[in-house]
Amino acid sequence: KNEVEQSPQNLTAQEGEFITINCSYSVGISALHWLQQHPGGGIVSLFMLSSGKKKHGRLIATINIQEKHSSLHITASHPRDSAVYICAVYGEYGNKLVFGAGTILRVKS
Amino acid sequence: DAGITQSPRHKVTETGTPVTLRCHQTENHRYMYWYRQDPGHGLRLIHYSYGVKDTDKGEVSDGYSVSRSKTEDFLLTLESATSSQTSVYFCAIKLQGSYEQYFGPGTRLTVT
Repeated sequence: KNEVEQSPQNLTAQEGEFITINCSYSVGISALHWLQQHPGGGIVSLFMLSSGKKKHGRLIATINIQEKHSSLHITASHPRDSAVYICAVYGEYGNKLVFGAGTILRVKS
Repeated sequence: DAGITQSPRHKVTETGTPVTLRCHQTENHRYMYWYRQDPGHGLRLIHYSYGVKDTDKGEVSDGYSVSRSKTEDFLLTLESATSSQTSVYFCAIKLQGSYEQYFGPGTRLTVT
């Protein structure tokens, strides 16, 4: 079993829909990273969380340390949000990220 | 982009040849990382560095070596490339006093 599990693996949405991507992890962590990768593109940092909630534009990330779970929400989705969204965690004592497999999001107009 | 560049951006090489990929940063970050990204496996850590001449292995380090002789450059070497090393390679840095990592643009390596 992977230490970091993302769901769903694939997601297709209509423009304007509210989207949720989930990340569960099985180890104690220091922090959790949400990343975005457009097709053929580079990897962009969206959020770094160790507790609570963060918001940037239409993106919201939450984390529940007790439940070992994080969610990434996209409000009013747009075709330009189509990308792979990757969750990654730092272990309690390390400086290394462990990655989930990613969620492929496609937003149709 | 935190001033990270990778070179080359694309390379095709033959099995058995040595290959060196370069990651260069301009902002004096202490931590640097090499990852590979493959379909079905996601991102996996190859090696990382926590200072000049200080490096450690990641989960897929076999067949790879690294060197960091100065803060700004982190080199990844495939001593004898194999077809299984065909991949996209990303370099990253970790910001000082933070857990956040920023990634370079990637190098697409094909071993024929």
